[in-house]
Amino acid sequence: NAGVMQNPRHLVRRRGQEARLRCSPMKGHSHVYWYRQLPEEGLKFMVYLQKENIIDESGMPKERFSAEFPKEGPSILRIQQVVRGDSAAYFCASSGPAYEQYFGPGTRLTVT
Amino acid sequence: GENVEQHPSTLSVQEGDSAVIKCTYSDSASNYFPWYKQELGKRPQLIIDIRSNVGEKKDQRIAVTLNKTAKHFSLHITETQPEDSAVYFCAASISGGGADGLTFGKGTHLIIQP
Repeated sequence: NAGVMQNPRHLVRRRGQEARLRCSPMKGHSHVYWYRQLPEEGLKFMVYLQKENIIDESGMPKERFSAEFPKEGPSILRIQQVVRGDSAAYFCASSGPAYEQYFGPGTRLTVT
Repeated sequence: GENVEQHPSTLSVQEGDSAVIKCTYSDSASNYFPWYKQELGKRPQLIIDIRSNVGEKKDQRIAVTLNKTAKHFSLHITETQPEDSAVYFCAASISGGGADGLTFGKGTHLIIQP
């Protein structure tokens, strides 16, 4: 009974490096969402994808951030040239035809 | 865009008492309202949700009410237990045939006093 999978669970990057976060949706789900959670704060929507399509990226910063959900394989959130302010927990969620979104365990990114 | 306000930010109740958390939303087009529970260092877990064609929904000790006219919805937890201690988030979205991204409130830290 595999739920939403994310890896890595913890990622440490130096300023200027690239971070790649992966998300495998729950079996049977074709919708993937990425959220960012800063310490002591709520979750902020970043991007909504279906297979090979970005549906809504209104919450994504205009620069350095990109996301994809290829036909095969996991969804990837990519952050180029990371800065200290990118340190956060990044959660992926998936949903099927219904509304419910189920979250993965998150990737905790630390930028040093 | 949608804006969700959540109150209170911290709520402390005696074990066995009830807890109520309230949220308001701004976009009258929103039609889906889930609640998530997040324990420290863990993933948000969906605990209950309500759609705009329903005024109230109950699941054991948890209930959610929705007032579309006033654009607010509430989470009610009865007979609270120590394991209910967590941060609770409300959210809203416009959904149809696959949900849009959720707009979350800032969270309520619920503390159950023994």
